[in-house]
Amino acid sequence: DQQVKQNSPSLSVQEGRISILNCDYTNSMFDYFLWYKKYPAEGPTFLISISSIKDKNEDGRFTVFLNKSAKHLSLHIVPSQPGDSAVYFCAAHSAYNTDKLIFGTGTRLQVFP
Amino acid sequence: DAGITQSPRHKVTETGTPVTLRCHQTENHRYMYWYRQDPGHGLRLIHYSYGVKDTDKGEVSDGYSVSRSKTEDFLLTLESATSSQTSVYFCAISNALEGQGGEQYFGPGTRLTVT
Repeated sequence: DQQVKQNSPSLSVQEGRISILNCDYTNSMFDYFLWYKKYPAEGPTFLISISSIKDKNEDGRFTVFLNKSAKHLSLHIVPSQPGDSAVYFCAAHSAYNTDKLIFGTGTRLQVFP
Repeated sequence: DAGITQSPRHKVTETGTPVTLRCHQTENHRYMYWYRQDPGHGLRLIHYSYGVKDTDKGEVSDGYSVSRSKTEDFLLTLESATSSQTSVYFCAISNALEGQGGEQYFGPGTRLTVT
């Protein structure tokens, strides 16, 4: 049973536009959510996170939104740049299980000129 | 980058042979993890360790064993490699504390091909 779902395997966006990557979860005990970015032949790198006590967290061009009632989070990248082309994974854990992350299947973002 | 290295970075082996992958960290983090990444499956946890000699299974642990004799090293062993274990393997580390963010930091990965 996939507790963290990324239903869009790929997304293509023009440079300068907004990229919106979506993630849904089923476990209501999750209270901390993370986004990772992965380039080919490299390990995933931590990008941004959000606690369930917030509904928005912003870091430069990256903003994560959390809708707890819908069990949905999204990552907004504005403006998108070609260097943002990568696979993005969302992940989650619960407060009593912070040592184990549950990952989604990833969304491949391509930003074209 | 967090100080995490994996060796080897690439390996080709034959079905039925044992294989050991090594993860080494210089961050003195308590937790260490082994994941595999496959198309359509994302990152799946194989085993993890919460201290020296303390390990536990993840969701895809069958056919794998681990050992952690020192804080800095976490070994993943495929007892008898099968073609289904062809994958990219990532090691990760964390200092997750209860109630706080559990960010994990990943190594560069090992691409394993079982022929």
